[in-house]
Order: sequence, then C-alpha cells, then structure tokens
Amino acid sequence: DAKTTQPNSMESNEEEPVHLPCNHSTISGTDYIHWYRQLPSQGPEYVIHGLTSNVNNRMASLAIAEDRKSSTLILHRATLRDAAVYYCILTLSGNTGKLIFGQGTTLQVKP
Amino acid sequence: EAQVTQNPRYLITVTGKKLTVTCSQNMNHEYMSWYRQDPGLGLRQIYYSMNVEVTDKGDVPEGYKVSRKEKRNFPLILESPSPNQTSLYFCASSYRWAQTNTGELFFGEGSRLTVL
Repeated sequence: DAKTTQPNSMESNEEEPVHLPCNHSTISGTDYIHWYRQLPSQGPEYVIHGLTSNVNNRMASLAIAEDRKSSTLILHRATLRDAAVYYCILTLSGNTGKLIFGQGTTLQVKP
Repeated sequence: EAQVTQNPRYLITVTGKKLTVTCSQNMNHEYMSWYRQDPGLGLRQIYYSMNVEVTDKGDVPEGYKVSRKEKRNFPLILESPSPNQTSLYFCASSYRWAQTNTGELFFGEGSRLTVL
C-alpha cells in the first residue's frame, strides 16, 4: 500500500508561513494527495487535496512535486488556531474506500 | 446543520458485553467509514462502506462488525469487547468519495470507549 512519511513535529512562529512536507515515493499515477488536520479534542477536518497541479483554497496551498513523490502543505500565515496534527494521506488506486492516515506532523505555533 | 453524529460520546463497559456505537449523517453521503485512534498509532481504518449494503474491511477489522442498511446510518458493533479495543473512535462520511476518491471527508466528534 502507498505510504506517506512526515516529520513527527514542527514549530512555527505566529503570522509566519509554515511549510509542512510529506514524502510519498510509492505513489501511483491515480492516487490523490489529501491533507487533513486534527485540532485538540476534535475529529480530523479536511484541509486540501490535489492530484498533479498545485492547489489553493481559503485554508492553505498544496504544492506537489513534478514527479509527485513529495508534496508540501503551505499555511501562509500561521495562527495559534493552526496548532494541530496534520495528516498527509494518499487514496489507493482503483477507487477503493481504503484510506491510510499515518502518524502525522504535530505543529506547534508560538506567539 | 450538516453533521456526522456519533453516540455515545463516552462509554465505559466490561469485557464481553456487546455494544454498538451509532453513526448518523444528514448529508445524503454514499461513503461512510470508521476509524480508531490510539496513542503512537495514529488513525487506523476499521471498516468502510461505499454505499448501502456495501461494506468492506479496512486495516484493523478484527473484533468489529458493521452494517449499512440505510444511507444515513453506519453503526459499529463490538460483539464481545476486549480491553485492547479501548480507544477513541471516529466515524466519517463523504459525498464524492465513492465515485472519485476525492472530496471532503466529514468526521464526527469521536466516541471514547473504555473496556475494563
């Protein structure tokens, strides 16, 4: 199964940009890259997803490497509310319902 | 309000006493799924359902059963709970996932289960 590798933890200062990396060297051609985050004591929430091109939405940007073996979630201006565990996830080819979350990156935001 | 509702939110039970954790969504989603979250292991998928009457195993299905008799509900059944099933459980649903493996997954608030 396709797996992702993320750093266990990262720190950022408030109002500075944050780049959260994810390696997925075994990604298949039709796997989508998804990012979710989990705030303390809450269920995960959707952040962004993409296939090949970079994506932007109101929450973040997703930069996907040309070979698709890695991607970066970009929070343009971190706030204290962005402190959470961020999960980089791949769907599995073949339109299955399986989803592998992995360990995620714990982001600390310092005032 | 669009939401995924889980019940109970907290439960302490004893080994062997059958229990059901309910999950209901009001968004007409086809795809629903259950996860458990344990310290150091992250979120692991238990079962998922692509549509009514269609269910399949995730990564850790042992000790669990599910059913999908109607679109809005996807209960998780522990026929004979054991202490190693003590965990935080999340249900999720999605409109487009069944067709495209894309779209947004909506998660419930979680159910914390303790089996003594």
